[in-house]
Amino acid sequence: DSGVTQTPKHLITATGQRVTLRCSPRSGDLSVYWYQQSLDQGLQFLIQYYNGEERAKGNILERFSAQQFPDLHSELNLSSLELGDSALYFCASSMRLAGERNTQYFGPGTRLTVL
Amino acid sequence: AQTVTQSQPEMSVQEAETVTLSCTYDTSENNYYLFWYKQPPSRQMILVIRQEAYKQQNATENRFSVNFQKAAKSFSLKISDSQLGDTAMYFCAFDDDKIIFGKGTRLHILP
Repeated sequence: DSGVTQTPKHLITATGQRVTLRCSPRSGDLSVYWYQQSLDQGLQFLIQYYNGEERAKGNILERFSAQQFPDLHSELNLSSLELGDSALYFCASSMRLAGERNTQYFGPGTRLTVL
Repeated sequence: AQTVTQSQPEMSVQEAETVTLSCTYDTSENNYYLFWYKQPPSRQMILVIRQEAYKQQNATENRFSVNFQKAAKSFSLKISDSQLGDTAMYFCAFDDDKIIFGKGTRLHILP
C-alpha cells in the first residue's frame, strides 16, 4: 500500500457526460500528479499540482481540468467524455517538486469506461 | 528534450533464472533520480528501486539490482532468482523537471 488513495476504483459512464476522480496524497506529500494510461500503453503525464498550485502540464485535453484543495487532496474533472477517454487514471504524490530528486508513489488508479 | 528508451518490448524467462531489462536515457543534467516501476496484471504501479545519480554505488533491493552507468546513460534492472510474481510490465523512469517514463518492457516469468 503506497498510502495514496483514489476513488472511485471503477467508473462507467456514457459519452458526453462529466466525471470527477479524487485523489488523496500520502501524508506529508505536497505534490500530486495525474497520469492517463490507455490499454497496453505507457503512462501519459497530464498535470501536476504542488501545494495547491498548478506546476506543470502535460498532454492534458482542454476538456479535462484539475485542482488541488487546501487539504492537499486533488480532483481531476473530465467532461464531454468520448469513447477514447476510457483508460486507467493514476494519481501519484511526492514530497517535493519534480526535478528536486523526488520519488513518486502511485495510487491504485481509477478505471474509467466510457460507453 | 529528455527521453527514456526501453528497447525490449517483451521478454520471457524461466522461473529461477536471472533477467536483465535495459533502459537508456538522455539528459544534460548531472543530478537526477532514476526509477524502475513494476505494473503487475492488477495494474497497480509499484516502485521497485531508485538510484540517485550522484551515488556511484548501484542500488539493490533484495532480488532486484541495477547497473547504473552514468557516462553511458544506462540504467538496467537485474532480477535474480525470478519468481512467477515478477510477471509484470516494467517501466524505467527519469526525474528531471518532470518524471519521464519509458514505454515499458512486458516480462513473463514461465513456470
